[in-house]
Amino acid sequence: AQSVTQPDIHITVSEGASLELRCNYSYGATPYLFWYVQSPGQGLQLLLKYFSGDTLVQGIKGFEAEFKRSQSSFNLRKPSVHWSDAAEYFCAVGASDTNAGKSTFGDGTTLTVKP
Amino acid sequence: GAGVSQTPSNKVTEKGKYVELRCDPISGHTALYWYRQSLGQGPEFLIYFQGTGAADDSGLPNDRFFAVRPEGSVSTLKIQRTERGDSAVYLCASSMHGGGETQYFGPGTRLLVL
Repeated sequence: AQSVTQPDIHITVSEGASLELRCNYSYGATPYLFWYVQSPGQGLQLLLKYFSGDTLVQGIKGFEAEFKRSQSSFNLRKPSVHWSDAAEYFCAVGASDTNAGKSTFGDGTTLTVKP
Repeated sequence: GAGVSQTPSNKVTEKGKYVELRCDPISGHTALYWYRQSLGQGPEFLIYFQGTGAADDSGLPNDRFFAVRPEGSVSTLKIQRTERGDSAVYLCASSMHGGGETQYFGPGTRLLVL
C-alpha cells in the first residue's frame, strides 16, 4: 500500500527566506509524486509533479522539488518565500500501475509567512 | 477551458437524510475521482471511475456511500442515512486518461451533517 508522511504540521518562515517542506513516501515501485497547494476556500492547485527522468523538478510559482529514491523523499523547496505563499501544502503519491488511479495524500503542512 | 465544477458548494443536512453531490469534470477527461477531506487532514481517496465504470472503489467507507457516472462524464456521489461523521469537504478531480496522471481538482462541496 502507498502512503505519504509530511513530518511538519506547521512551518513559519520570514518573507524572503528560503523554504523546504518535507515529504516521505512509501511505495513498492517508482512512484508518481505530486505537490499541491491549497489556499483557504480554494481548490487544490498542482505545483509540480515527478513521473520519471530528471529527479529535480521545476514547478509553478518558483517552487522545485527533488526526488531522492534512496531516502524515499520528495521535498519541496523555494529559495525566497513571498507573503502570498502562505497556504497549506500537500504531498501526494500516485501509483505508476497503469490500471491504478488513486493518489494518496499526506496530511499537509501549513505555511505561515512572517512579514 | 472550464475546470472541474462541483455542486452544491455547501450542503447542510440532518442526520439520517440522503444527499447527492454532483461533479462535472473537464470535458474529454475519461478518469474521474472522488476524495473526502476532513478538517486538518489531506484528501482521502474514495472512488475512481474510468469512463462509466468504477475502476477502484476501495476507498468508499461503507455501503451508505455510492457513486455513479452513467454517461462517462458527470458523476454523482450519493450518501444514504448520513451521519455526523460524514461531515467533510468532498472533492472531485478528473484526468485525461487516469493511470496516475495529473488530476485537476474542483473546489469541493462542504457537507455538514447536523
